[in-house]
Amino acid sequence: KNQVEQSPQSLIILEGKNCTLQCNYTVSPFSNLRWYKQDTGRGPVSLTIMTFSENTKSNGRYTATLDADTKQSSLHITASQLSDSASYICVVSKTGANSKLTFGKGITLSVRP
Amino acid sequence: ETGVTQSPTHLIKTRGQQVTLRCSSQSGHNTVSWYQQALGQGPQFIFQYYREEENGRGNFPPRFSGLQFPNYSSELNVNALELDDSALYLCASSLDTGLSPLHFGNGTRLTVT
Repeated sequence: KNQVEQSPQSLIILEGKNCTLQCNYTVSPFSNLRWYKQDTGRGPVSLTIMTFSENTKSNGRYTATLDADTKQSSLHITASQLSDSASYICVVSKTGANSKLTFGKGITLSVRP
Repeated sequence: ETGVTQSPTHLIKTRGQQVTLRCSSQSGHNTVSWYQQALGQGPQFIFQYYREEENGRGNFPPRFSGLQFPNYSSELNVNALELDDSALYLCASSLDTGLSPLHFGNGTRLTVT
């Protein structure tokens, strides 16, 4: 069964600190992995998209890594801000089926002042 | 540039009724996908439309159906509503069916009583 597992389920950090969110997947054959940020009551917003050949991609203070051999990805947030409080969702696509994405449950991040 | 808009934002229906949710895709996007997001869960893929044709379907029963119009806007129809259909329904548009990022609307919150 194609799955995407994220950890931890939730995380609380202080403003200004860094954090790393994890994503493990079993989706195969792999095409690409995406990270989305979802604020409460809003639709998800794309942060990064990585294909098999990419092992890191940055978007401002967000840096995603991908190890396609171990089927793991991480999202590192640097110098967190209160506005980073949201759910972060890892999404994986199969080859030849970009129309069908498998979403993780998301990680709830709370940044406290 | 107009983003993805969904209507209505909230809806309450009774079990057994039918519902139609609407989505206007972002300007220039020819692909629309629909997702169901239960509380505390990641979105689940329902189906995708590319240039008015269905281009992939998730594990949802036939009572979930859709349409895409020539202007690339879309509808999601759900017949014979069940209590478990209560969820946030998200629409996302993209430039194509490949690696383009998905642009999500803020969803329609459906409650079935």
